[in-house]
Amino acid sequence: GAGVSQTPSNKVTEKGKYVELRCDPISGHTALYWYRQSLGQGPEFLIYFQGTGAADDSGLPNDRFFAVRPEGSVSTLKIQRTERGDSAVYLCASSFSGGYNEQFFGPGTRLTVL
Amino acid sequence: KNEVEQSPQNLTAQEGEFITINCSYSVGISALHWLQQHPGGGIVSLFMLSSGKKKHGRLIATINIQEKHSSLHITASHPRDSAVYICAVGTSGSRLTFGEGTQLTVNP
Repeated sequence: GAGVSQTPSNKVTEKGKYVELRCDPISGHTALYWYRQSLGQGPEFLIYFQGTGAADDSGLPNDRFFAVRPEGSVSTLKIQRTERGDSAVYLCASSFSGGYNEQFFGPGTRLTVL
Repeated sequence: KNEVEQSPQNLTAQEGEFITINCSYSVGISALHWLQQHPGGGIVSLFMLSSGKKKHGRLIATINIQEKHSSLHITASHPRDSAVYICAVGTSGSRLTFGEGTQLTVNP
């Protein structure tokens, strides 16, 4: 069966550009999470969706970061005016209904801002 | 101080050795997760537990809620066990808070 998929797998962009990262969760999973992992660090929480709505966006570092999930399935993480410090692996995970449920992770998108 | 701390940060073992990785946390949790991350980034969930002990093959995870401590044990370690092991706790709502990971290398 299909797991969580993320595209692109790698993205190289220039400082100041806009990027979109896509996550396709496991079919039927209502909860979707975005995390960011810098080199040598554990992942950090960014945002959690339950269905179409962002249930917790307290991990978004600033207003350059925004995420949507308009139909309750695919989610897009959008980063405006990228900075070199945004370089990281962006991980997406989904779970059946959030809360006390196992999260299944995608392979991540490695973002490099030059 | 991080909410989730792991030790050791790096661990090198010989094939066949018994391995223990420790995780301490400072917040109230709904569940604790042990995750495995191989080079290239893919993360796999190994265990999710809120009390007691779980076993899967050569892997054992324990948690002591009163002491806010968990351990991951690997028996009869093998080079294919080489990976980063990450402890994560479920806190408010559904978000996970992660430790920095333990890089395990098992030499043949």
